[in-house]
Amino acid sequence: ETGVTQTPRHLVMGMTNKKSLKCEQHLGHNAMYWYKQSAKKPLELMFVYSLEERVENNSVPSRFSPECPNSSHLFLHLHTLQPEDSALYLCASSQAGNSYNEQFFGPGTRLTVL
Amino acid sequence: AQKVTQAQTEISVVEKEDVTLDCVYETRDTTYYLFWYKQPPSGELVFLIRRNSFDEQNEISGRYSWNFQKSTSSFNFTITASQVVDSAVYFCALSEYQDGGSQGNLIFGKGTKLSVKP
Repeated sequence: ETGVTQTPRHLVMGMTNKKSLKCEQHLGHNAMYWYKQSAKKPLELMFVYSLEERVENNSVPSRFSPECPNSSHLFLHLHTLQPEDSALYLCASSQAGNSYNEQFFGPGTRLTVL
Repeated sequence: AQKVTQAQTEISVVEKEDVTLDCVYETRDTTYYLFWYKQPPSGELVFLIRRNSFDEQNEISGRYSWNFQKSTSSFNFTITASQVVDSAVYFCALSEYQDGGSQGNLIFGKGTKLSVKP
């Protein structure tokens, strides 16, 4: 595997389900990000982890819970979501410590909440 | 406050035409970084270019060129002799310098959807 991978690519869930999105980066980076992209809004930053510590939580509802067990893996745990949470969820990674570094993105998980 | 504006929501051109995608940004910082990303239908954002605020030289990479003008806070992207494979959503983004090695976050514009027809 190369670059940034995300699984699953598509997910359909009910409002009472619990599911998790997984992201893995193979680039040796030490910062990882979750973004939400919906039809109505531009890319919204949700969470940032740098050196495995959460450094940004962009006012995201608690029904979204991130986890970063190591610098290569990032999870987004989902529970009791709402239909308006349906979106493309993108993971990205970069080298930490410098805002000059570009972020590399995964292909995203298309989430549909029924 | 930081802001990135891509006023063109959608552009449609015929193959081989030149097309320019506009990007205007707002920031109070003197040190900042600008990016362009391409998002094809597959969904993955692909990094195209990065520019820092002290480097106003225009850049050309094959059919792609970028015009950075601080005086107008613009960072426009031109595709010469467009091809069908250029069809995608293009995002402009801004990252401000953070002291102490903190992680700078990307502020994205809303994107411009480019359709290149054969």
